[in-house]
Amino acid sequence: NAGVMQNPRHLVRRRGQEARLRCSPMKGHSHVYWYRQLPEEGLKFMVYLQKENIIDESGMPKERFSAEFPKEGPSILRIQQVVRGDSAAYFCASSLTGGNIQYFGAGTRLSVL
Amino acid sequence: EDKVVQSPLSLVVHEGDTVTLNCSYEVTNFRSLLWYKQEKKAPTFLFMLTSSGIEKKSGRLSSILDKKELSSILNITATQTGDSAIYLCAVVNAGGTSYGKLTFGQGTILTVHP
Repeated sequence: NAGVMQNPRHLVRRRGQEARLRCSPMKGHSHVYWYRQLPEEGLKFMVYLQKENIIDESGMPKERFSAEFPKEGPSILRIQQVVRGDSAAYFCASSLTGGNIQYFGAGTRLSVL
Repeated sequence: EDKVVQSPLSLVVHEGDTVTLNCSYEVTNFRSLLWYKQEKKAPTFLFMLTSSGIEKKSGRLSSILDKKELSSILNITATQTGDSAIYLCAVVNAGGTSYGKLTFGQGTILTVHP
């Protein structure tokens, strides 16, 4: 019974490149959440998705960031034209229903050179 | 805006000590409070609290919610070096489209020395 799977675990990009982070939720979970953890800071909510729908993207920067959770396949967090300030750990979580316990993946550590 | 404050920010103890971690919150429409333990990887779920005054227990860890005081505590008895981690508190807002997102505190870094 696999937990939340994120890949890659580590991602290095140069400024201006694109970063794609993937998240496969726990089996049976259709609610996915993305959080960002900057150095020396707590986890900050970015976006909440249910299959094919964005429910709440209030924590997502308005530009360069997008997220999707297609009918088939993992959820993708996409960061275009990365800048050094995007360097952080990005965590994905999933839950059975909205407002229920969220289980986290191991995160993707993005480093922008 | 929802807010969660944890204290202390860091704590150093010796094996066998008992520790109490605090979490206070401000949320417009409270649904639940969750505690997580974060080591070097994924935050792992510890407790979910929705009702005031009911203690949840798992081994040496226990937690209780006080809705009147808008706070929760996490107790760890007979600490072990394996308890060293960051302990995160988070709240869920029941209102509108926010009912899914967790608002986290900054965490308490617990270090247990042998």
